Amino acid sequence: ELKVEQNPLFLSMQEGKNYTIYCNYSTTSDRLYWYRQDPGKSLESLFVLLSNGAVKQEGRLMASLDTKARLSTLHITAAVHDLSATYFCAVDSARQLTFGSGTQLTVLP
Amino acid sequence: NAGVTQTPKFRILKIGQSMTLQCTQDMNHNYMYWYRQDPGMGLKLIYYSVGAGITDKGEVPNGYNVSRSTTEDFPLRLELAAPSQTSVYFCASGRYTEAFFGQGTRLTVV
Repeated sequence: ELKVEQNPLFLSMQEGKNYTIYCNYSTTSDRLYWYRQDPGKSLESLFVLLSNGAVKQEGRLMASLDTKARLSTLHITAAVHDLSATYFCAVDSARQLTFGSGTQLTVLP
Repeated sequence: NAGVTQTPKFRILKIGQSMTLQCTQDMNHNYMYWYRQDPGMGLKLIYYSVGAGITDKGEVPNGYNVSRSTTEDFPLRLELAAPSQTSVYFCASGRYTEAFFGQGTRLTVV
């Protein structure tokens, strides 16, 4: 059974600081997704990572995938308040997506 | 394009009642999914479909049924609602596992 673990689960950071969210998974997969969810809202797709070594960047967020280590990271650069949300990674296995528990990010002024 | 449309947005059910959550997509996606999200948790897969006429169980299928008679529609049926089914339900579609989500249905069973 595929297990997906994110850490930290809760993250408070000050504006302007950098931080990394980690997503570890337990079985082989070469397809990983990052989503953002605002309170009471649906999930918005952020990144699709399709191969080992894949790196995607959008604004202050950068995601990477290391399939050998079974690890993906979501790096936040110079955080701003608008990035406050819950971030989920999701791993593809046998046509199903298994989600991590999410990282609730709060960016403080 | 509307994308993935779910109805209703909110519903309160009494224990033992039944209901159908509707999901329609207009992106001609073969893959469709039903997830539930409990408070403060990630999403758990209930059922999925890789095309019309084909459905399969996910991680938490008990108490639910689905059908996929057309590419566009993937309704989720709750039979004999229980308090444990209180959750937010998300439908999603995609060409493969890259899923685009609907706005969710918030269901409370009392």
